[in-house]
Amino acid sequence: SAVISQKPSRDICQRGTSLTIQCQVDSQVTMMFWYRQQPGQSLTLIATANQGSEATYESGFVIDKFPISRPNLTFSTLTVSNMSPEDSSIYLCSGQQGDSYNEQFFGPGTRLTVL
Amino acid sequence: GQNIDQPTEMTATEGAIVQINCTYQTSGFNGLFWYQQHAGEAPTFLSYNVLDGLEEKGRFSSFLSRSKGYSYLLLKELQMKDSASYLCAACDSNYQLIWGAGTKLIIKP
Repeated sequence: SAVISQKPSRDICQRGTSLTIQCQVDSQVTMMFWYRQQPGQSLTLIATANQGSEATYESGFVIDKFPISRPNLTFSTLTVSNMSPEDSSIYLCSGQQGDSYNEQFFGPGTRLTVL
Repeated sequence: GQNIDQPTEMTATEGAIVQINCTYQTSGFNGLFWYQQHAGEAPTFLSYNVLDGLEEKGRFSSFLSRSKGYSYLLLKELQMKDSASYLCAACDSNYQLIWGAGTKLIIKP
């Protein structure tokens, strides 16, 4: 499977600011996803990043709060906008190769703390 | 609704065998995944079952019963490095993963 890197690995941000997380895959992937994970809890899917078009958001997540870009098949960004302490979490990027269902492989995550 | 249930925490002894159970309810079903996640790290893929039965992969095996909505992950000859969270995820009719909360496995010497 491909290797995913994320930047930054962690950040501490002030309330009201925005942070953009970058996700880079070392080979082309069909699908890319963004997740949020609170400590000790399940993965929650934020959105599917679509190449060249708007992301597909899950219930409870909106584009104004979590704008996503995917300019090509190896790169995506997630922005957490107008942050509040409730946005403190680990944000994970994942990729999936092929059109039919294959396993997802994950980046190392970005640990975000909002003060 | 869609739901995944797995135990929150389990404890086992080094060298022993442990079975982690997972039950699922999804809209349609396209297979079940098991992932391992060490503390502070990303999940890594362990296994995928779409047909009933047991899939063996070294010390790890995964079982699926579609009629019962049930799967388990079996870990043999436990090692200290197996201490981690084990996540069960079912793939629904839209090929979306529904994730369980994970089972934290503690291995004692």
